[in-house]
Amino acid sequence: EAQVTQNPRYLITVTGKKLTVTCSQNMNHEYMSWYRQDPGLGLRQIYYSMNVEVTDKGDVPEGYKVSRKEKRNFPLILESPSPNQTSLYFCASTHYLGSEQYFGPGTRLTVT
Amino acid sequence: AQKVTQAQTEISVVEKEDVTLDCVYETRDTTYYLFWYKQPPSGELVFLIRRNSFDEQNEISGRYSWNFQKSTSSFNFTITASQVVDSAVYFCALSEALNNAGNMLTFGGGTRLMVKP
Repeated sequence: EAQVTQNPRYLITVTGKKLTVTCSQNMNHEYMSWYRQDPGLGLRQIYYSMNVEVTDKGDVPEGYKVSRKEKRNFPLILESPSPNQTSLYFCASTHYLGSEQYFGPGTRLTVT
Repeated sequence: AQKVTQAQTEISVVEKEDVTLDCVYETRDTTYYLFWYKQPPSGELVFLIRRNSFDEQNEISGRYSWNFQKSTSSFNFTITASQVVDSAVYFCALSEALNNAGNMLTFGGGTRLMVKP
């Protein structure tokens, strides 16, 4: 089954404790992205990757890092999480520019 | 800059009613792509439809239909004979072809649809 998976689905952590949210897709897509969804602010792109070892900032990259060492995986790293990073995070993948993006199930992160 | 506006924040209907969700977009690109996504209470984002700027044909898929009008920069979504399972937040989104290396989607604020039995 074609899908995007994310782990964990729910995470409660404390300020400053490094964490990684994993994302994996099995559709051999070139493009992958991370979005965060916040009430009143909608969905905003954090980082994206056009292929292995090619990543760049989206609209709201501050406080996040990513890597793309393999085509299928695109982890999101929060080196020192802060409460303003409490959000619902989505990973997405797509085959080419302009095509539909397929989203993972979401990771609900709470930073206290 | 690109923008997507969904003026209806919440709509409540009774089952079997037809309902139209409005979407108005702004872009300077001549080539762009429009999407609708559904976010049910469980939280995932489900892709519904994609349209490119050169294809103004309306589309029907079961009880769902979409009306794309470039003249009014609108891409409206109609659910015919709504059902309780249609209750969700619906997002309209835009992706520009130029200066969009990240394939970023610009989302509207979403419309929460509540279908009552």
